[in-house]
Amino acid sequence: GESVGLHLPTLSVQEGDNSIINCAYSNSASDYFIWYKQESGKGPQFIIDIRSNMDKRQGQRVTVLLNKTVKHLSLQIAATQPGDSAVYFCAENNDSGYALNFGKGTSLLVTP
Amino acid sequence: SAVISQKPSRDICQRGTSLTIQCQVDSQVTMMFWYRQQPGQSLTLIATANQGSEATYESGFVIDKFPISRPNLTFSTLTVSNMSPEDSSIYLCSVVGGAGRGELFFGEGSRLTVL
Repeated sequence: GESVGLHLPTLSVQEGDNSIINCAYSNSASDYFIWYKQESGKGPQFIIDIRSNMDKRQGQRVTVLLNKTVKHLSLQIAATQPGDSAVYFCAENNDSGYALNFGKGTSLLVTP
Repeated sequence: SAVISQKPSRDICQRGTSLTIQCQVDSQVTMMFWYRQQPGQSLTLIATANQGSEATYESGFVIDKFPISRPNLTFSTLTVSNMSPEDSSIYLCSVVGGAGRGELFFGEGSRLTVL
């Protein structure tokens, strides 16, 4: 079946730098995308979402970019902090429109 | 946002036994979803549980192995039957965040280790 995948399994950044996590998706019919953060021992937490009628959305220190032409999604974290260390997943709505299909995940490690 | 509680939070189980995971939501929700997260991997949807109807299973998951109950709009259970070490995973319950399609809220998960 069609799936969502990530380019980089691990990313190490220095505190204060900007982080960029990438995601490729294959289902051109997907119209809703979410980034989740999962800390060790916890369930995924919503970070930011974007609908397919947009190409950029900003939150607090985070920005999601959507390029539908190449089916690419990215999460940018500004001024990365130690508390940002976690695994990040992109997800897209599945054929039912309600459940989500998740990508493989990228582990972000923020070093002092 | 919805608050989701799962029990047990973790358990160690013997091969061949079954374990039931409970999911309680602090508000009434139509749709609940069960996901599996194998060690070091992403989340895979097991099934969608709607109150008053049979659960809908994703490819690769069957009712005999993962029976689900949904007795009311705030509660669901997932049973992992006849467990093997390959069933060692985190099992997560989730619900839709608001009216219509949107983000999913997740519980903290139930971490099962099968020996």
